[in-house]
Amino acid sequence: EPEVTQTPSHQVTQMGQEVILRCVPISNHLYFYWYRQILGQKVEFLVSFYNNEISEKSEIFDDQFSVERPDGSNFTLKIRSTKLEDSAMYFCASSAGRSVGPQHFGDGTRLSIL
Amino acid sequence: KQEVTQIPAALSVPEGENLVLNCSFTDSAIYNLQWFRQDPGKGLTSLLLIQSSQREQTSGRLNASLDKSSGRSTLYIAASQPGDSATYLCAVVLGNTGKLIFGQGTTLQVKP
Repeated sequence: EPEVTQTPSHQVTQMGQEVILRCVPISNHLYFYWYRQILGQKVEFLVSFYNNEISEKSEIFDDQFSVERPDGSNFTLKIRSTKLEDSAMYFCASSAGRSVGPQHFGDGTRLSIL
Repeated sequence: KQEVTQIPAALSVPEGENLVLNCSFTDSAIYNLQWFRQDPGKGLTSLLLIQSSQREQTSGRLNASLDKSSGRSTLYIAASQPGDSATYLCAVVLGNTGKLIFGQGTTLQVKP
């Protein structure tokens, strides 16, 4: 069964450094998402992306965050200058339809900011 | 603002029991509701998706129902097994951008 893959599984970074989290969505999916989950808290929406544009972003997704689909298969989340509070599990998801089909999630990248 | 709440936060049952997990949401104008399973340190596995026009969906031992007017969904697990131990999350899509709003989850332990 097709799946969403994320790399790396764990990223340790010094505060203030840039980090790029990578995702390969399911190949025929057109809608892409990033979520995050701080330890012990709810899964939170960050951003949705379609047709090379951001469809919606949350208050968390400030100027330090950006997303890109650099080629036909990858979808990346960049954090320019990481803060301690960015430590979380980051999940990528994709779906075939926007609000009618299920979203399929990757296993996540655990980001630890020191 | 849409709020999603799941009750109970944790549940421990002996193997073989039928059980019900509850999810409530404050804004009934949802597009769909999705139930997920999350194992420790892992991603989210989609279990069932209910469209706003549907009342229930079934997959194997799982049955999810949706009552939009009252802002409630339930996930029914029949004949629970130790392998069902995990955290179960419900999430709703409110707008047409596909944004999922999650509850805090119910952590289920099924004892052999």
